[in-house]
Amino acid sequence: AQKITQTQPGMFVQEKEAVTLDCTYDTSDPSYGLFWYKQPSSGEMIFLIYQGSYDQQNATEGRYSLNFQKARKSANLVISASQLGDSAMYFCAIGYGGGGADGLTFGKGTHLIIQP
Amino acid sequence: DAGVIQSPRHEVTEMGQEVTLRCKPISGHNSLFWYRQTMMRGLELLIYFNNNVPIDDSGMPEDRFSAKMPNASFSTLKIQPSEPRDSAVYFCASSLRGQSQNIQYFGAGTRLSVL
Repeated sequence: AQKITQTQPGMFVQEKEAVTLDCTYDTSDPSYGLFWYKQPSSGEMIFLIYQGSYDQQNATEGRYSLNFQKARKSANLVISASQLGDSAMYFCAIGYGGGGADGLTFGKGTHLIIQP
Repeated sequence: DAGVIQSPRHEVTEMGQEVTLRCKPISGHNSLFWYRQTMMRGLELLIYFNNNVPIDDSGMPEDRFSAKMPNASFSTLKIQPSEPRDSAVYFCASSLRGQSQNIQYFGAGTRLSVL
């Protein structure tokens, strides 16, 4: 079975500061994918970034980067230069079957609030 | 390009009634997933399809829940009879299986309230 743990239920951050959202995972599969999604107050789930278990380099997408430490089984999301629009729930997820081919297991999420 | 389209966005019904949720995946995607989100249990995978065939329905909570995918562009999730504990947000997601990442793109969700 796969498991995702997000230990920060909520975070307050000043605008323009960098943010690190924690995510640890547990899996017995040698091949897996790690995903981050954003859920604003409007409710939709927005894909942010993906990291494959065999990827040598940390993934980056614009202001988002994933700090992947395989030995520690952690996949933290880093948001640089935070903006008011970054305020949302953030979910870490692990996929099985090759990336997310066979479904995703989600963590409980972190509620991020960016303060002006 | 149109994303995953779900309907209705909101559904309010009374206990015992049949509820049907609908999903149109992204054109060209060959995998479709149904998730449920509640405060207590978070986001849970209910069932998924590959090429219109149900692959894993182990997440479907009870026999009251059923899902179909009659063609590549349409899927339904039905609850009959509905109960108050079914109140949740139901998401549909689709992906293109075969790529290494298999990224799932979600619809806007259907917020179901069973009174």
